[in-house]
Amino acid sequence: DVKVTQSSRYLVKRTGEKVFLECVQDMDHENMFWYRQDPGLGLRLIYFSYDVKMKEKGDIPEGYSVSREKKERFSLILESASTNQTSMYLCASRTGTGRYNEQFFGPGTRLTVL
Amino acid sequence: AQKVTQAQTEISVVEKEDVTLDCVYETRDTTYYLFWYKQPPSGELVFLIRRNSFDEQNEISGRYSWNFQKSTSSFNFTITASQVVDSAVYFCALSEYAAGNQFYFGTGTSLTVIP
Repeated sequence: DVKVTQSSRYLVKRTGEKVFLECVQDMDHENMFWYRQDPGLGLRLIYFSYDVKMKEKGDIPEGYSVSREKKERFSLILESASTNQTSMYLCASRTGTGRYNEQFFGPGTRLTVL
Repeated sequence: AQKVTQAQTEISVVEKEDVTLDCVYETRDTTYYLFWYKQPPSGELVFLIRRNSFDEQNEISGRYSWNFQKSTSSFNFTITASQVVDSAVYFCALSEYAAGNQFYFGTGTSLTVIP
């Protein structure tokens, strides 16, 4: 059974803290994605990666960075968390061999920044 | 501009009613793919269906059916005889061949099925 896992389901951090969200997939997928989900705004792409050490900005990269040192792991980093980064964060992966392939999602991390 | 529009923010139906979730998309690409996902209260998005731009054949899977019409740029999703377990947020998404790996998601429709 294919799987995308995220390090935490719920996380509470304080303003100014550095926050790491980890995502691991076991499907040997080339592509991995980080989204944030907010009510009324749907899913918005933060960053994606199409290969190890490769990354591209999505629609809302400001305040975030990413790291992909291994194919199966994609990390989202909030350098200095702010209250407006309180949100649900979703990781996804997708094989790179065809545009028609779906993305597989993890369970999400609900981050609260106080 | 929004590439995928789900105009219905919230829908409530009584169990056993039929319900249609609308999805309208916008693209200049001739090759593209459309998807529907379900997000139950647990939070994880679950893939339901994929359609490519060259295949306008409608699809039925149990109580679920999808109507793809290029003439109106719509890819609507109908649940027949709704059940409480259908309560979820449903997302429509677009992937354009020329745009690479990026998906464009709609804002989602929250469906509540009342017993």
